[in-house]
Amino acid sequence: QSVLTQPPSASGTPGQRVTISCSGTSSNIGSNTVNWYQVLPGTAPKLLIYRNNERPSGVPDRFSGSKSGTSASLAISGLQSEDEADYYCAAWDDSLNVHWVFGGGTKLTVL
Amino acid sequence: QVHLQESGPGLVKPSQTLSLTCTVSGGSISSAGYYWSWIRQHPGKGLEWIGYSYYSGSTYYNPSLNSRVTVSVDTSKNQFSLKLNSLTAADTAVYYCARCSGSLHAFDIWGQGTVVTVSS
Repeated sequence: QSVLTQPPSASGTPGQRVTISCSGTSSNIGSNTVNWYQVLPGTAPKLLIYRNNERPSGVPDRFSGSKSGTSASLAISGLQSEDEADYYCAAWDDSLNVHWVFGGGTKLTVL
Repeated sequence: QVHLQESGPGLVKPSQTLSLTCTVSGGSISSAGYYWSWIRQHPGKGLEWIGYSYYSGSTYYNPSLNSRVTVSVDTSKNQFSLKLNSLTAADTAVYYCARCSGSLHAFDIWGQGTVVTVSS
């Protein structure tokens, strides 16, 4: 059972806008920034969004992140077939047992 | 361009110790501001942070694994390693090494991952 909660699946058609949610608590998302990772089949995870809404160099501006309270979202606009992947959210957790926590992942299917 | 590559056995017996190494190329493991990390993914499950080490030797571990795990850095070889003891089938997973950037507060570079199966 992952600490951060994500829907197991999401889908959209090419050109559409899809969002993936990530729910946490006051000790993780509520008090720390959120990162998003993309895992394409057979490849290393790739940092997509850091500090809630910042994109590393090379990540298209079709990808955007947001955070409100204890929840965060990843939005992908202008959906493309190559966006079909697993997406994970992550945050530092300030609880007594401090450590990084991840979501269970969302498999995005481009129909 | 920093690149990470995991190496180690793909099959380990229960109760034994898993030893994995991550080789860093294209940059120095002694660069300030980075934490050298291990993360795993159980079959069909999400990601789980195992722990990380700063080049100076300071370490931080997932409390659920703290008693069984050691992450260490070898600056002379530009490598860092993971040791996980008292293995059970529940440790079967894909193990990734990754760099955690202090400035980004995120894991910004990852290795390809290595499959580890715990079985007799």
